[in-house]
Amino acid sequence: DAGVIQSPRHEVTEMGQEVTLRCKPISGHNSLFWYRQTMMRGLELLIYFNNNVPIDDSGMPEDRFSAKMPNASFSTLKIQPSEPRDSAVYFCASSWTNVGSYEQYFGPGTRLTVT
Amino acid sequence: QQPVQSPQAVILREGEDAVINCSSSKALYSVHWYRQKHGEAPVFLMILLKGGEQKGHDKISASFNEKKQQSSLYLTASQLSYSGTYFCGTEMGTSYDKVIFGPGTSLSVIP
Repeated sequence: DAGVIQSPRHEVTEMGQEVTLRCKPISGHNSLFWYRQTMMRGLELLIYFNNNVPIDDSGMPEDRFSAKMPNASFSTLKIQPSEPRDSAVYFCASSWTNVGSYEQYFGPGTRLTVT
Repeated sequence: QQPVQSPQAVILREGEDAVINCSSSKALYSVHWYRQKHGEAPVFLMILLKGGEQKGHDKISASFNEKKQQSSLYLTASQLSYSGTYFCGTEMGTSYDKVIFGPGTSLSVIP
């Protein structure tokens, strides 16, 4: 298996522009997670989906952030408009979730820089 | 809700042992441990479910004391490859829930 695939790997954009991050989870996994990692805030859970349905989006910073999972093999995280404080590494992870026990497989991450 | 990890950072010489602690103020259902090397994604190490079990593979093991809401990760006879940041993730409640990661413990193993 190719593992979790994320694109792009690096993104540099100007403040105010729209940014779309993409994720392809491991085939057969039923849960998908979006994380943001910064030195200051560590590894933060933004949102997670189970069977393509958003379960908890309480970590989404504000309305500028949105996430979708139109099918089991694809998810997007969109930031519109982007701001310099959004600069971070964004990870997507997937898992096969059974009650109480699962391991998450992380993608390589997208390093976002907003100037 | 974020778990607390200690120490924040530790430097070891090859062959030395280390313990990383993780604690929560809330009742835990499970504790997850991940390791992240610089510039890479976190990689799963192990999950411990409530019940006080201890797990391990190779020279890395962990324990979970649900009454104290604490978990400890034990690294024995450390190797250079153990260097990285170790995160504990806690799952609260009584069943499947989201995992909240701690701030991480930076571990450096030197020759």
